[in-house]
Amino acid sequence: KAGVTQTPRYLIKTRGQQVTLSCSPISGHRSVSWYQQTPGQGLQFLFEYFSETQRNKGNFPGRFSGRQFSNSRSEMNVSTLELGDSALYLCASSGQGTTYNEQFFGPGTRLTVL
Amino acid sequence: AQTVTQSQPEMSVQEAETVTLSCTYDTSESDYYLFWYKQPPSRQMILVIRQEAYKQQNATENRFSVNFQKAAKSFSLKISDSQLGDAAMYFCALGTDKLIFGTGTRLQVFP
Repeated sequence: KAGVTQTPRYLIKTRGQQVTLSCSPISGHRSVSWYQQTPGQGLQFLFEYFSETQRNKGNFPGRFSGRQFSNSRSEMNVSTLELGDSALYLCASSGQGTTYNEQFFGPGTRLTVL
Repeated sequence: AQTVTQSQPEMSVQEAETVTLSCTYDTSESDYYLFWYKQPPSRQMILVIRQEAYKQQNATENRFSVNFQKAAKSFSLKISDSQLGDAAMYFCALGTDKLIFGTGTRLQVFP
């Protein structure tokens, strides 16, 4: 099976712009979670989608949003980018839930905000 | 609030030796899972080992084993016969309705 893929791998944006990141889970996986990884804050949970519905959400401002399509692919959008949004954004998929099953991580999208 | 604490930012070990990475957590949930994930430099995060909180027996996966002390809320990872390929960031994670990660421990392995 192909692993979790994320596109693009690298992205450079300027403050105030918006960005959309994409994640394709492992075939058959219905749960997709997103995480932000920074040197200062570590790995922080953004949100989880399961069967096109947001099932859980972390403590991030409303500028961070996501969605999931019927084929389980997921997108994450960040509007009005701030310098502090520079991070590695990781996507993970699992077959059922998030906590009781192994999550398979993608390589991440490195976002730099100038 | 649920928290995961990894108090060792960096650890080092000689090849073939044993090393233990520490993790403590806090949760009011009675049903949860604990995980150790490995993130090699510039590579994808992978699951090393998983422990169900309701199981008293410590999980083992080949050279990797855990010491799960539920009352003390402690979940340490022991790597035996360390190999150069074990060099990575190791993250402890608590799973309830979401995954909460610790800040990670960077493990260096010296030949």
